[in-house]
Amino acid sequence: QSVLTQPPSVSAAPGQKVTISCSGSTSNIGNNAVSWYQQLPGTAPKLLIYENNKGLSGTPDRFSGSKSGTSATLGITGLQTGDEADYYCGTWDSSLSAYVFGIGTKVTVL
Amino acid sequence: EVQLVESGGGLVQPGGSLRLSCAASGFSFSIYWMSWVRQAPGKGLEWVANINKDGSVKYYVDSVKGRFAIYRDNSKNSVVLQMDSLRAEDTAVYYCARRTNGDYWGRGTLVTVSS
Repeated sequence: QSVLTQPPSVSAAPGQKVTISCSGSTSNIGNNAVSWYQQLPGTAPKLLIYENNKGLSGTPDRFSGSKSGTSATLGITGLQTGDEADYYCGTWDSSLSAYVFGIGTKVTVL
Repeated sequence: EVQLVESGGGLVQPGGSLRLSCAASGFSFSIYWMSWVRQAPGKGLEWVANINKDGSVKYYVDSVKGRFAIYRDNSKNSVVLQMDSLRAEDTAVYYCARRTNGDYWGRGTLVTVSS
């Protein structure tokens, strides 16, 4: 169990859009910045989005992040087969004094 | 180029100890928080610990408090995770990451706790 709730899986056809939700509380998402990570099969995680909505220089524009209250969302547009991966949200939890991750969402391209 | 290279993983019996090291290069190591994150086989990510720039502030996930210790040597650009009283549930790939939110990650080192 995690303090951040993500759907276990989402899927869509190539070219379509998917969104991944990450729900938390005031002790974590509500008062701290959210990051999103992509983990391709057999590889280390890679940071995609930081500070809720900022992409790294290598993050394709097809990936976007947003936050509202105690929830955050990762959006992927123009879905490609290479986007099949596990995606995790993460943030600092001020009550736990610990960084927390969601359980991860597996994205499948149909 | 930022590089993080973990070492020290292996097979250890329950109750044993292991010392993981992370060698950093390609950036000014001493100005960044550093973290360890683990991933049990087939499971999600679990943050383990982090340490501030000069090593004076450290945080741990509850499940490792009192058993694991994180420290760093800025003169050697390295961060260490000392793991004692290991349990089967500590079996995982351990990743070293720059910053608390992990803007760069190493490839990980596998720790297996089994008799």
